[in-house]
Amino acid sequence: AQSVTQLGSHVSVSEGALVLLRCNYSSSVPPYLFWYVQYPNQGLQLLLKYTSAATLVKGINDFEAEFKKSETSFHLTKPSAHMSDAAEYFCAVTETGTGNQFYFGTGTSLTVIP
Amino acid sequence: DTAVSQTPKYLVTQMGNDKSIKCEQNLGHDTMYWYKQDSKKFLKIMFSYNNKELIINETVPNRFSPKSPDKAHLNLHINSLELGDSAVYFCASSQAAGPEAFFGQGTRLTVV
Repeated sequence: AQSVTQLGSHVSVSEGALVLLRCNYSSSVPPYLFWYVQYPNQGLQLLLKYTSAATLVKGINDFEAEFKKSETSFHLTKPSAHMSDAAEYFCAVTETGTGNQFYFGTGTSLTVIP
Repeated sequence: DTAVSQTPKYLVTQMGNDKSIKCEQNLGHDTMYWYKQDSKKFLKIMFSYNNKELIINETVPNRFSPKSPDKAHLNLHINSLELGDSAVYFCASSQAAGPEAFFGQGTRLTVV
């Protein structure tokens, strides 16, 4: 069975500070992992994905995430937060052969303080 | 061009009514989904269709019935709406070869 745990439902950072959003997954087979962002009243937009290639994945808007199998983690980082990064962030996992069913974490709301 | 489009974006209706939400994707994907996002932002899959065939049907009341007339469309019909059905419903699509899903803008359903 697959699942995703996002530690911290709310994270606040100062503008210009490092952003770190945590995600741990559970999967019985090598997973595909994703980070999605949801701006207010919007749909989910893909930030980045891990599909068993490079373990350090770069996404849009200078976000990146590192797949660590030993820690079953896929934490999202950004070196310098912008006001426009304030949003809800979701980590998700899927496996091939399951009809691409996505299991989402409970989300982390990021607040950026000016 | 919108990749995954849902209509309507907002839907307010009374308890007991029947309503439908439409979804269309122009990405050529063969798999489409419906997700429900509750008031705490938790996303849970409801249905998944692959080439018009139902492949995932989570524990959802049978008042919810998906219909896929072709692989570019997946509509959601809800009978006898209840207060607890109030949520944001997201349609999504993906290709079997590329695992990421693309989401629509969501339909905010409010049952009063």
